[in-house]
Amino acid sequence: AQSVAQPEDQVNVAEGNPLTVKCTYSVSGNPYLFWYVQYPNRGLQFLLKYITGDNLVKGSYGFEAEFNKSQTSFHLKKPSALVSDSALYFCAVRDAGGYNKLIFGAGTRLAVHP
Amino acid sequence: NAGVTQTPKFRVLKTGQSMTLLCAQDMNHEYMYWYRQDPGMGLRLIHYSVGEGTTAKGEVPDGYNVSRLKKQNFLLGLESAAPSQTSVYFCASSLTGQYSYEQYFGPGTRLTVT
Repeated sequence: AQSVAQPEDQVNVAEGNPLTVKCTYSVSGNPYLFWYVQYPNRGLQFLLKYITGDNLVKGSYGFEAEFNKSQTSFHLKKPSALVSDSALYFCAVRDAGGYNKLIFGAGTRLAVHP
Repeated sequence: NAGVTQTPKFRVLKTGQSMTLLCAQDMNHEYMYWYRQDPGMGLRLIHYSVGEGTTAKGEVPDGYNVSRLKKQNFLLGLESAAPSQTSVYFCASSLTGQYSYEQYFGPGTRLTVT
């Protein structure tokens, strides 16, 4: 069965420190992976995706993600966190059934403290 | 370019009442989706459409109906609302074709069923 796991409900980071939000996946075939961010009372915004190519993917707002096939992981990272990065982050994988359907993880709340 | 818009933004229904949520996109996307977001469960796909006049069931379709009479619009209907349908509903759209797999989301509709 296809699935996405985000093992941490919440991640707390001090401003200026590096941050990592974890994601692991289970899917048949080659994975197409995504990260989205949701600010309070807003829709989801696309951050970045991995389809093929380099394992390190760069996205919006200084975020990047590292694809690791052997560990079936796609962790989101940022070298220096900002208070404004505080939000809900979702990892997703493209459904093998096609039509760009996505399977989402439960989400991880990132709290960046001044 | 408004992207994906949803109406209404908020709605309170009594059990047994009906309503329709409207999603509109101006990006000429073929694919459209309806999700519900519940705490700790991420986003779950209700129904989706791969083109004008076509719809298909997602993960949690029971109690909902959809229609896509025009390419730019995707309607979600609740015929007889139940408290279990209290949720935040998101519409999304997506291009077809290679390397265009990400979805674009609307701002959401917060529905409360009492």
